[in-house]
Amino acid sequence: DAKTTQPPSMDCAEGRAANLPCNHSTISGNEYVYWYRQIHSQGPQYIIHGLKNNETNEMASLIITEDRKSSTLILPHATLRDTAVYYCIVRRDSGAGSYQLTFGKGTKLSVIP
Amino acid sequence: NAGVMQNPRHLVRRRGQEARLRCSPMKGHSHVYWYRQLPEEGLKFMVYLQKENIIDESGMPKERFSAEFPKEGPSILRIQQVVRGDSAAYFCASSPVGQARTDTQYFGPGTRLTVL
Repeated sequence: DAKTTQPPSMDCAEGRAANLPCNHSTISGNEYVYWYRQIHSQGPQYIIHGLKNNETNEMASLIITEDRKSSTLILPHATLRDTAVYYCIVRRDSGAGSYQLTFGKGTKLSVIP
Repeated sequence: NAGVMQNPRHLVRRRGQEARLRCSPMKGHSHVYWYRQLPEEGLKFMVYLQKENIIDESGMPKERFSAEFPKEGPSILRIQQVVRGDSAAYFCASSPVGQARTDTQYFGPGTRLTVL
């Protein structure tokens, strides 16, 4: 799977949008971008995933650049409960090993009152 | 719809004892994955199971670790003769299909194993 690069930490003011970047310059055409987060050593929580089009759900929006080499997770109105480590994961859509999620170090997002 | 359940949430064992970790997947899910998270590190894949079958155990240590997912009951990760280096958080995830496109994995709360 393609490697991802994320900033180690970010701060965001409560109520403001949190924009978390991820670089995946070696991504292949059949690889999806997944985002999970882990709140204080709890189990990882699925947030969103996408292939090439922008995606939105009740938790967040995912913006993928046209060349697919990078993406941004957007939490539109960050709350204190969004403080967590956010993981950007690139994953093949099928085939051997496609089920293995490779977690890097992620971005530690701190939402500040 | 209950999420992935794991028990116990915390487990303390002395060196040389056995540890048994249980995982009940979400309702309707027949695929289970185990991951391990060492302190201050990201999660690492260990094993992927379907009912009564081990599909991929490439991430499992060669000795002392085993996993099963019987026809009835939860999936079990078993660690024999535990050592201090086994102290970690063990997470189970489940999905409805497996290798199909965008089959999303949902994680349980984890079992934190401490080896004294």
